[in-house]
This record gives sequence, C-alpha cells and structure tokens, in this order.
Amino acid sequence: DIQMTQSPSSLSASVGDRVTITCRASQSISSYLNWYQQKPGKVPNLLISAASSLQSGVPSRFSGSGSGTDFTLTITSLQPEDFATYYCQQSSSTPYTFGQGTKLDIK
Amino acid sequence: EVQLVESGGGLVQPGGSLRLSCAASGFTFSNYWMTWVRQAPGRGLEWVAIINQDGSVNYYVDSVKGRFTISRDNAKNSLYLQMSSLRAEDTAVYYCARDSRRSLDYWGQGTLVTVSS
Repeated sequence: DIQMTQSPSSLSASVGDRVTITCRASQSISSYLNWYQQKPGKVPNLLISAASSLQSGVPSRFSGSGSGTDFTLTITSLQPEDFATYYCQQSSSTPYTFGQGTKLDIK
Repeated sequence: EVQLVESGGGLVQPGGSLRLSCAASGFTFSNYWMTWVRQAPGRGLEWVAIINQDGSVNYYVDSVKGRFTISRDNAKNSLYLQMSSLRAEDTAVYYCARDSRRSLDYWGQGTLVTVSS
C-alpha cells in the first residue's frame, strides 16, 4: 500500500498568514493527489483534485502543486473559516490512502 | 442537488454484523464509482472500499478484506456495506462518497457504527 505522510501534523497561524502543508507519498503517484478540508463535526470537503485542480466554489487563496511523490497545499492570506484539518489522499492505486491530517489552528 | 444519505449504523457487539446503506439522489448513480470512508472518533480518515459503476469491480483496505462487502443496486440508487466479524477497531463514522475522476466530490453525513459489548 502507498503511505501518505503529511507535515506538519499541526500548525498554528494567524489570519492573513500564508501557510503550506506538505504531503509525501511512499512511491510515485503521478498527479493522483487530492486535498480535503474538514471542520469539526463536519463532512470532509474536496478542495483540490489531481494535485492542482481547484474545485468549483473553492476560494482562489487555496492552491496545490507537485507530482510524483511530493505535494503541497498552500493557503495564502488565511481567513477565519480556513482553520480546520486538512487531508491529502492518493488515488493512484487502491487502497486510496489518506494522510494522517494537518490540524490548522489559530495562533 | 447531489445527496447521499447513509443509514444502518448503531451499536453492535464484537463479532456481530451490520449492513450500511447509502441512498443517492440528484445525479445518475449508475455512472459513478462509489466509495466508503470511515473515521474513528478523534482520528483521521480511512478509505475502506470502492465499487465500480456496475458492481463488477471492488477493492478493499486490507483491514476489512474478508469481513466487509461493498455492493450496489443501481435500480434503487443505493450503495451498501455489509460488515461482519466486527471488531472494536471498526468503531467509526462511516461515510459514503461519490468518486469523480478519482476524487471524492460529494459525501454523505455519515452513520456511526459502535462495536462494543
């Protein structure tokens, strides 16, 4: 199985900050990488698919990049509603594993 | 509007069985792969199983192979997860999700399965 490792596991930041979350795959997954946001008590929400394709309705301050084994999710100018947990997921080969999550909270 | 509504969760004893259902609406169900994802209390997301459009292909995470069976009824726009030999570590909220081009673009609200004596 492909292991997905996110870093950091937790992150404190302030409104207006720029943050980057990294996701590393244990083997090459091409661009089969998705990012989800989950707020407490809520259902996960797809932000980015195929490493860099922003989903409809997702603010442009979110962006994704990378291919192969190393990927990043960047949020420019953090807004209060962005404080949540973020998960990467590979969809290159089953099982389509998730990273362990990165909890982003307010500094 | 796409809607996915899970049902069938509850309290079950270790070794017991449970069948989860997911009712889909607002899209052509038979055109999509469908997935089950679970989340143990306070933990991260775990991909569980996937099934193709006509139900002829499915894959599972190793921890549930031989115990869980994913299936679907396209005539009823429904997805199922038959779970048997349940263990405490299967305790989680179970989500059904639509797979669109290998990403999960719509999720249900989830149904809680608690395995405990």
